[in-house]
Amino acid sequence: NAGVTQTPKFRVLKTGQSMTLLCAQDMNHEYMYWYRQDPGMGLRLIHYSVGEGTTAKGEVPDGYNVSRLKKQNFLLGLESAAPSQTSVYFCASSKSHRGNTEAFFGQGTRLTVV
Amino acid sequence: DQQVKQNSPSLSVQEGRISILNCDYTNSMFDYFLWYKKYPAEGPTFLISISSIKDKNEDGRFTVFLNKSAKHLSLHIVPSQPGDSAVYFCAASPTFNNDMRFGAGTRLTVKP
Repeated sequence: NAGVTQTPKFRVLKTGQSMTLLCAQDMNHEYMYWYRQDPGMGLRLIHYSVGEGTTAKGEVPDGYNVSRLKKQNFLLGLESAAPSQTSVYFCASSKSHRGNTEAFFGQGTRLTVV
Repeated sequence: DQQVKQNSPSLSVQEGRISILNCDYTNSMFDYFLWYKKYPAEGPTFLISISSIKDKNEDGRFTVFLNKSAKHLSLHIVPSQPGDSAVYFCAASPTFNNDMRFGAGTRLTVKP
């Protein structure tokens, strides 16, 4: 049982380049999330989706776009990468949007923008 | 502004002793509090949670205590084991959405 899978695991980008991070979950969860983790900051929510075809902004959405064309996939896009977007990105999914629901996380994508 | 704070970046304890990890929050709209554990090169995994209507929740060696008036919670691990060495994140969420806010994490090292 794969759970939540993120692709790629590592990436180095030059400033101004674009890229897409892919998240796939096989648990039939309605809700999916993208977080970034920075030293001393914990995980911060970038965007989330409450179902196929719907997305919403989280705490730090600027510079990112997302799409949820299929229920099992949640894509995070960087149109023009900046050094400030150097971070570890985690995708997560949950079966409910209620606050007491545990989230299942992928293994993370380490992105470096030079 | 960080609504969830873990003021201790690291904690080291001896195997068999108690580990106490602390977490403070500022937003009184938070109703659920969760602890996640993270090993290197892996994503966080859910450990234990507590609702604001309770002051204690226990699961095996792990107990979470909530002091709502002080906006403080703590995770107790008894007895601590070397396999517990990881980064522990405290997270808080309102009732009707999963907009979790995370603390910066505490790195726990349990020495054999």
